[in-house]
Amino acid sequence: QKEVEQNSGPLSVPEGAIASLNCTYSDRVSQSFFWYRQYSGKSPELIMSIYSNGDKEDGRFTAQLNKASQYVSLLIRDSQPSDSATYLCAVIRKSSGDKLTFGTGTRLAVRP
Amino acid sequence: DTAVSQTPKYLVTQMGNDKSIKCEQNLGHDTMYWYKQDSKKFLKIMFSYNNKELIINETVPNRFSPKSPDKAHLNLHINSLELGDSAVYFCASSQHTAGEETQYFGPGTRLLVL
Repeated sequence: QKEVEQNSGPLSVPEGAIASLNCTYSDRVSQSFFWYRQYSGKSPELIMSIYSNGDKEDGRFTAQLNKASQYVSLLIRDSQPSDSATYLCAVIRKSSGDKLTFGTGTRLAVRP
Repeated sequence: DTAVSQTPKYLVTQMGNDKSIKCEQNLGHDTMYWYKQDSKKFLKIMFSYNNKELIINETVPNRFSPKSPDKAHLNLHINSLELGDSAVYFCASSQHTAGEETQYFGPGTRLLVL
């Protein structure tokens, strides 16, 4: 089982819709969770971090964490074509020396 | 004023050669990292340094040797390059060790081994 799993996609949504990106992780002692966005040919950039159960909102982005289900998601409201990118879920496991472990990413395509 | 910079941006070389990639950050961060992103876009940590001290060393062939002359620089030297080393190598930095700290990535070095 992979440490961090994501559906590779592509996830295709129309402009203005809500895009829902999901991620599961295998290690229950994981403590910190991040969503990075990576445009093609560019470097990853952090868009959201979440550390406790529940929802965290930042503009059009909402991260949701459920530690009991070992599940973290990212919702993008009012999706724009400029949101088209690969979204990488990343997890810190204290047991691994604060190492950031990435999923393989979900490619999102927002159709105009 | 780039926060995390890497040189070179592109590197094309023959199998068996030795090459180096340089990374510099001007954010005043204590911790720097090297990641490898393969052709399937999987991003995996290789090394991290905190204040010039190695703190994470993943299962990486010993042909790869990181060097941190000071906390603003982390270089990666690769000996005897192999075809499988072709990838994008990203340098990153964070204020302290990962924990809850944001990691800032450099633009990447695209290495192609022929």
